[in-house]
Amino acid sequence: EADIYQTPRYLVIGTGKKITLECSQTMGHDKMYWYQQDPGMELHLIHYSYGVNSTEKGDLSSESTVSRIRTEHFPLTLESARPSHTSQYLCASSRDVDQPQHFGDGTRLSIL
Amino acid sequence: RKEVEQDPGPFNVPEGATVAFNCTYSNSASQSFFWYRQDCRKEPKLLMSVYSSGNEDGRFTAQLNRASQYISLLIRDSKLSDSATYLCVSDSWGKLQFGAGTQVVVTP
Repeated sequence: EADIYQTPRYLVIGTGKKITLECSQTMGHDKMYWYQQDPGMELHLIHYSYGVNSTEKGDLSSESTVSRIRTEHFPLTLESARPSHTSQYLCASSRDVDQPQHFGDGTRLSIL
Repeated sequence: RKEVEQDPGPFNVPEGATVAFNCTYSNSASQSFFWYRQDCRKEPKLLMSVYSSGNEDGRFTAQLNRASQYISLLIRDSKLSDSATYLCVSDSWGKLQFGAGTQVVVTP
């Protein structure tokens, strides 16, 4: 089993709040990713990182930001949450870019 | 055009039957391929990696056809627990590209 953890699992919060979704992995993987997925829809890559102090935007434009100060930690932040941010956010990591990605349980975010 | 394309299904399969479905990829230089399984409202889980011409793991067989640029997944002796969405993945330009998934529904 992959050792990648996301918190919180569920979050219901009001509009305008600042939110940070946590993602940590204990496998020493350099590569980490954030995906957004609506129910019944496909995964969309919103951010990725190939190592400490390296972050890139993914294929889907997102108002969120990420940071990678430590190898094991890749938090995602929304400065001012809006109802359009309601979705499931999945974090993943891999040993290398062509290796399988291991996913966390996801955070189900609901903005009222 | 998407990098990885899949028939969304659903494929309705009687329990015990065999089901197979394909996934096409656009980058002929892709080297790594994977099948993931995703249950409703859960995270994707790696089912198998596909290198060279294919791979087999119990009731699951994946085959890679580089000439036609597709990967197939075959499930034999389907179980009710095989009901899920199956995601095809290939590496393309230094990133893994996920397909939108094929839904399989196994019925009693």
